[in-house]
Amino acid sequence: NAGVTQTPKFQVLKTGQSMTLQCAQDMNHNSMYWYRQDPGMGLRLIYYSASEGTTDKGEVPNGYNVSRLNKREFSLRLESAAPSQTSVYFCASSERTGAINGYTFGSGTRLTVV
Amino acid sequence: GQQLNQSPQSMFIQEGEDVSMNCTSSSIFNTWLWYKQEPGEGPVLLIALYKAGELTSNGRLTAQFGITRKDSFLNISASIPSDVGIYFCAGLNYGGSQGNLIFGKGTKLSVKP
Repeated sequence: NAGVTQTPKFQVLKTGQSMTLQCAQDMNHNSMYWYRQDPGMGLRLIYYSASEGTTDKGEVPNGYNVSRLNKREFSLRLESAAPSQTSVYFCASSERTGAINGYTFGSGTRLTVV
Repeated sequence: GQQLNQSPQSMFIQEGEDVSMNCTSSSIFNTWLWYKQEPGEGPVLLIALYKAGELTSNGRLTAQFGITRKDSFLNISASIPSDVGIYFCAGLNYGGSQGNLIFGKGTKLSVKP
């Protein structure tokens, strides 16, 4: 039972480089989310996808793009990384937005931009 | 937008002590959830609360959904070293937009053996 799988687990980028964070879920969930976690800031929503074929901005979308590739996969792209994007990134999924049993989270991608 | 105020921000306790933390909001929520995040991992759901006034236990953990629907409490009894982590509250409203699970900023728990 894999749940939500994120790759890579760790990444170091130079300022201006681009990269894509991958996320896949095997629970047949409709909704998927990308969060960033910074010390003292809790979890902040970057983008989400309520269902396959739709994406919407969250609280902190600037500097990011997303793709809902299919029902299982939801990727997060940094086109030109900045040091302010150094963070831990979590992908999550749920049966649907507003699902009362909450979200299932991946184990995170630790990104450092130098 | 909606915000959750979670307190305390951090706690340093001795093994065996009881722990209390809470979450408050100016908004009403239909569901309250409590998550635990261990070092190097993602948050994992501990307890879900669905009705105002509801009191739910999961082992040594007990959580309550406040009767005003604007707050929730989590208690951990007889803490042990493996309770270390960050505890997040989250509030949920049905049928909303914006991926409507709102998180508190977390309570970081340290337990001294």
